[in-house]
Amino acid sequence: GQSLEQPSEVTAVEGAIVQINCTYQTSGFYGLSWYQQHDGGAPTFLSYNALDGLEETGRFSSFLSRSDSYGYLLLQELQMKDSASYFCAVPISGGYQKVTFGTGTKLQVIP
Amino acid sequence: EPEVTQTPSHQVTQMGQEVILRCVPISNHLYFYWYRQILGQKVEFLVSFYNNEISEKSEIFDDQFSVERPDGSNFTLKIRSTKLEDSAMYFCASSEGQATNEKLFFGSGTQLSVL
Repeated sequence: GQSLEQPSEVTAVEGAIVQINCTYQTSGFYGLSWYQQHDGGAPTFLSYNALDGLEETGRFSSFLSRSDSYGYLLLQELQMKDSASYFCAVPISGGYQKVTFGTGTKLQVIP
Repeated sequence: EPEVTQTPSHQVTQMGQEVILRCVPISNHLYFYWYRQILGQKVEFLVSFYNNEISEKSEIFDDQFSVERPDGSNFTLKIRSTKLEDSAMYFCASSEGQATNEKLFFGSGTQLSVL
């Protein structure tokens, strides 16, 4: 089976930096994705790490350590619009097409 | 940017009724998915579809569920006899290539309420 664990809630101040962690347990690991979901909205793709290390996309960065089965999403220069839920996700293949989502972290950005 | 479209945005039905949720994936995408999300909970995988057949399904996707690609553009999810616990937001998604290498594009969802 697979499991992806995240903190349920995080609160951070506008302009600050916040890190959202994800620990996973899965077979057939290919990489770790991150999705953002605003209340009432659809998940939207943020990033994907197939290899160890840091991937940077603007204010957002994502990190992966395959040996530790761990990754995180780093949000810098937080803005109020970053208030949303963030999900890590793991695709598996090998004849299957399935992306499993983590438990989700609700980020609240406060002034 | 191309997008996945879903209809209807809201569907209210009586328990035991059949519902069909409709999706138009992005035109050059080959892999299609249905997910559901109960309010406040995580996004749960239901089924994936490729080359006109189911690739993978979860334990949620029992005999009451079916998927179909009736033509070159639509992708549907049918729930044969709805139950109260089927109430959720249902998201359709598509990807150009295999899920291991490609991001998923999600539609805006259909909120299903079973009374």
